[in-house]
Amino acid sequence: GQQVMQIPQYQHVQEGEDFTTYCNSSTTLSNIQWYKQRPGGHPVFLIQLVKSGEVKKQKRLTFQFGEAKKNSSLHITATQTTDVGTYFCAGDSGSARQLTFGSGTQLTVLP
Amino acid sequence: AAGVIQSPRHLIKEKRETATLKCYPIPRHDTVYWYQQGPGQDPQFLISFYEKMQSDKGSIPDRFSAQQFSDYHSELNMSSLELGDSALYFCASSVRDWGFNEQFFGPGTRLTVL
Repeated sequence: GQQVMQIPQYQHVQEGEDFTTYCNSSTTLSNIQWYKQRPGGHPVFLIQLVKSGEVKKQKRLTFQFGEAKKNSSLHITATQTTDVGTYFCAGDSGSARQLTFGSGTQLTVLP
Repeated sequence: AAGVIQSPRHLIKEKRETATLKCYPIPRHDTVYWYQQGPGQDPQFLISFYEKMQSDKGSIPDRFSAQQFSDYHSELNMSSLELGDSALYFCASSVRDWGFNEQFFGPGTRLTVL
């Protein structure tokens, strides 16, 4: 079955530093979605990438979808304490319309 | 704006008991998903429904069953509970729009099996 791997598992940064998490799928994806889950909270949708090589920006967040549609990354510039949480990528193979979540990257931002 | 509603928020059961989790999707959303999230784990897809029919099945144990009713709310029924079933159970809903399926998650039900 489809597997989605995500690294790193944990990341501690000083406030103001940049942060990147990487996602890799074992199969070609129809699209990839990114979610953020705050401690004790539920996953909240951030963005969906559909096109090969697509790059989308949301303020300090930059999302990329690989050319082969098998990998993706999320980059946060100048982290803030409000960025704390676990960031999950979730792959949609398209055929089953179910999301396979990556293992997540837990981000800690030190003030 | 209306969000996904789940009840109960917390549930404590003994081994071998049964549990029923409820989910009320966002109005006019036609697809409901159930996920299980263990401590420190990613959400694992269990099952989904589209227009009240089972759509996809993931890693849902045979001891679990689910259905979606005419008012679009969904219930996850769990029998012969085991200690390993202790987890957060999320329901999510979306509108089936080919090419875009942002999922809106509910607050989750925390199930503890003693």
